[in-house]
Amino acid sequence: ELKVEQNPLFLSMQEGKNYTIYCNYSTTSDRLYWYRQDPGKSLESLFVLLSNGAVKQEGRLMASLDTKARLSTLHITAAVHDLSATYFCAVVPAGGTSYGKLTFGQGTILTVHP
Amino acid sequence: KAGVTQTPRYLIKTRGQQVTLSCSPISGHRSVSWYQQTPGQGLQFLFEYFSETQRNKGNFPGRFSGRQFSNSRSEMNVSTLELGDSALYLCASSLTSNRYYNEQFFGPGTRLTVL
Repeated sequence: ELKVEQNPLFLSMQEGKNYTIYCNYSTTSDRLYWYRQDPGKSLESLFVLLSNGAVKQEGRLMASLDTKARLSTLHITAAVHDLSATYFCAVVPAGGTSYGKLTFGQGTILTVHP
Repeated sequence: KAGVTQTPRYLIKTRGQQVTLSCSPISGHRSVSWYQQTPGQGLQFLFEYFSETQRNKGNFPGRFSGRQFSNSRSEMNVSTLELGDSALYLCASSLTSNRYYNEQFFGPGTRLTVL
C-alpha cells in the first residue's frame, strides 16, 4: 500500500526566511502533486511534477521531484505572511488501476510570522 | 470557466439519518473523485467515477456509495450516519480518463456535521 509522509507537519517561520517541506512516498510513482489549503477552504493546485528531475517554480515556491529517491521537496524562499496555509503533497502510484485516486500526505501547516 | 461546484456547502444531520451530496464537475471533465477530510485521518479517497462507472474505490464501508449521471454530475450518499462521518467531503474533477494525466481540480467541499 502506498504511504506518503510529509515533514515537518508543523512549520513556524519568520518572514524573509527560507525553508523546505519534504514529501516521501513508498512505492514507484512518476506523478506528484502539491496542493495548498487555506483554513475552511478547498484545495488549490500548486504544482504538477511529471518526471524525474522535474522542477517547477511559482513566485516564492519551488517544487522538485526525485523519483529514484521517492522524494519531492517544496522550497519556500523569503517567506511572507500570505504563504501561511496547509500544504499537501499527493502521489499517484505507477502502474495498476489508480484511476482518480490521489494518496495524500498528512499535510504541513505553515505559519509565517512577522 | 466555472470550477467544480458542490451542494450543499453545509449540512447538519443526526445519527442514523442518511445524506446525499452533489458535485458538478468542470465542463468537459468526465472523471469525478470523492475524498473525505478529517483532522484525524487526513484526506482519504472514497471513489472515482468515469462515464457513469465506478472505476476505483477506497477503503470505506458500504454505507458510502455514489453514482454519476450522463452529464458527469455525481452524487455520493452516506446511509446510517455515524458521528465519525463528520467531515469535509471534497469532490474533484479531471479532464481525461487516462491515469497519466489526472490532475484534479477540487470543489469547495461540503461540511457535514453529524450530531
